[in-house]
Amino acid sequence: GENVEQHPSTLSVQEGDSAVIKCTYSDSASNYFPWYKQELGKRPQLIIDIRSNVGEKKDQRIAVTLNKTAKHFSLHITETQPEDSAVYFCALHDSGYALNFGKGTSLLVTP
Amino acid sequence: DSGVTQTPKHLITATGQRVTLRCSPRSGDLSVYWYQQSLDQGLQFLIQYYNGEERAKGNILERFSAQQFPDLHSELNLSSLELGDSALYFCASSVVAGGRNEQFFGPGTRLTVL
Repeated sequence: GENVEQHPSTLSVQEGDSAVIKCTYSDSASNYFPWYKQELGKRPQLIIDIRSNVGEKKDQRIAVTLNKTAKHFSLHITETQPEDSAVYFCALHDSGYALNFGKGTSLLVTP
Repeated sequence: DSGVTQTPKHLITATGQRVTLRCSPRSGDLSVYWYQQSLDQGLQFLIQYYNGEERAKGNILERFSAQQFPDLHSELNLSSLELGDSALYFCASSVVAGGRNEQFFGPGTRLTVL
C-alpha cells in the first residue's frame, strides 16, 4: 500500500499551546485523508477528514490542511487540553479501497 | 459506541493453535475491513470484504483468512499461531467500498499467543 510518513512520533505540549502533526505521501492518486484519534486501549475514532478538492477544513479547535502539490497534509490542534492526549493517526486512501495509516503520533498535553 | 461489534474482547491461546475472530458491521454497512495493530507495526490493513466478496488484500499472512457471510458479519481466522501474532485486531465497517469512506472501528480483539 501507499507509504505514509508521519512526524513527529511523539509530541509534548503545554495546555493551551498548539500541536501540529504532519504526514507526507507519494501517490498522487490519493483523494481522501482522514485523521483518527486513539485513546489508550480504545478504538481509533475519526476526528476530521479532508478530500483532495479542498485545501483546508476546520472543526472547532481542530483543522486539517492539505497540500496536494507537495503531497503532505497536517493536523492542527489549537488551545490543547489534557483530554487531547492520545495517539493520532493520519491515513489515506490509495488507489485501492483500504486506509493506509501513518505510524502514529503520541501527543501528551501537560497541565 | 461506533455500532461495530467484535467478539471476543480478549483471547489467550498457545502457539500452533487456531482462533476465529468475529465482527458485526454497523447496520447498513456493506464493507468490512480487518486491521492488525501491534506496538512496532502500527495499524496494518489485512483484508477487506464488500457485500460478501473479497475486495482488497493488504499485509495478510497466508496463515490468516477471512470471509464475510450473507448477513454481512465477518470472521477472521488465524491459524498456526506464532508469538508474533499477538496484537490487537480491529474490524471496521463503512457504507461504500471506496471514495470518501469513513470507516467505523469496533472495540477490537486483543489476542495473546503464549
